[in-house]
Amino acid sequence: QKEVEQNSGPLSVPEGAIASLNCTYSDRGSQSFFWYRQYSGKSPELIMSIYSNGDKEDGRFTAQLNKASQYVSLLIRDSQPSDSATYLCAVRTGGGADGLTFGKGTHLIIQP
Amino acid sequence: DARVTQTPRHKVTEMGQEVTMRCQPILGHNTVFWYRQTMMQGLELLAYFRNRAPLDDSGMPKDRFSAEMPDATLATLKIQPSEPRDSAVYFCASGPRTANTEAFFGQGTRLTVV
Repeated sequence: QKEVEQNSGPLSVPEGAIASLNCTYSDRGSQSFFWYRQYSGKSPELIMSIYSNGDKEDGRFTAQLNKASQYVSLLIRDSQPSDSATYLCAVRTGGGADGLTFGKGTHLIIQP
Repeated sequence: DARVTQTPRHKVTEMGQEVTMRCQPILGHNTVFWYRQTMMQGLELLAYFRNRAPLDDSGMPKDRFSAEMPDATLATLKIQPSEPRDSAVYFCASGPRTANTEAFFGQGTRLTVV
């Protein structure tokens, strides 16, 4: 059974600091990895995707992937109060054939 | 404005009634997913389609749930009969033709079964 694990939080980070969100997955065949942000009462919104080992940067966001350790993380630099949300890690096994398996999310709070 | 459209946004119904939720995927997307979100279970994949063909509905209670794609612009999720434990937010998402790409979510249908 495919599992995606995240610390539920809440994770409290002061404004301007770096927020670090972590995710582990059980299926070694996983090939695609995504981070979604979900505000309360809203739908998940894609913020990052990563497919190969290493780092991928997009503005204030950096996704990190380590397939050997089955670990993916999201760093948010210069955290803003508007970054307060639940961050969902999602994993797809391969070939685009499977639906995304989601973790239960980490609730992030940025303290002004 | 490319987005996934779901209707209705909210639905309150009595136990035993039939519920139908609709989804219009982003034009040109060939993969459609149905997810259910609850506080306890998080986001669970119920079913998904590629080119209108069902590929996996193993996450769906077969006795009461059914999912279809009558055409490329419409996906439906039906619950009959509904039960209080079906209360959740149901999301539809679609993805483009290329493999290993992301899924884009609609705004969801919040279902309450009383």
